[in-house]
Amino acid sequence: AQSVAQPEDQVNVAEGNPLTVKCTYSVSGNPYLFWYVQYPNRGLQFLLKYITGDNLVKGSYGFEAEFNKSQTSFHLKKPSALVSDSALYFCAVSLGRGSTLGRLYFGRGTQLTVWP
Amino acid sequence: GAVVSQHPSRVICKSGTSVKIECRSLDFQATTMFWYRQFPKKSLMLMATSNEGSKATYEQGVEKDKFLINHASLTLSTLTVTSAHPEDSSFYICSAPPGTSTDTQYFGPGTRLTVL
Repeated sequence: AQSVAQPEDQVNVAEGNPLTVKCTYSVSGNPYLFWYVQYPNRGLQFLLKYITGDNLVKGSYGFEAEFNKSQTSFHLKKPSALVSDSALYFCAVSLGRGSTLGRLYFGRGTQLTVWP
Repeated sequence: GAVVSQHPSRVICKSGTSVKIECRSLDFQATTMFWYRQFPKKSLMLMATSNEGSKATYEQGVEKDKFLINHASLTLSTLTVTSAHPEDSSFYICSAPPGTSTDTQYFGPGTRLTVL
């Protein structure tokens, strides 16, 4: 069975400090990995994705994530957090070509709070 | 970028009535759309996969007679919550992949359903 784990329900950081939101996955084959962000009462907004190539992926709003195949992880990072980064973050994985087109498996979400 | 819209954004209805939620892909065609349900501060639960021209595929535990899905065209899928009850109150989000599974999947802004 495919699964995505976000081990932390809540991450708190001070503004200006680096932040990390963790994600690990368990899937068969080569996964496509995504990070989405959700603000209150809104849909999900795409941040970044890893399909193939360079393990370090840069995305929107200064976020980046590193694909680590040996550790089956795809942690989201940002060098300097902003208060406006406070939101709910979701890690997701799809199985790529040959799978149900677009079928995403989501982690449970991590609430990021950045203190001023 | 690709845009997915949902209508209405918020609906309040009486118990026992039916509510229809529309999901539209505005600038691309989507043979497949996904419907999710999200409880407060929780992850997204995939309810069903909407397939243009064929029956929807429901996830285990989702009542297909209660949550009717119709994929009427390549740009429109509808979710009808029939005989709604207070426990159906939730945030419903749709999504659509615009092309291959490597492409970013776009999410609608969500519909907040409150059943009195």
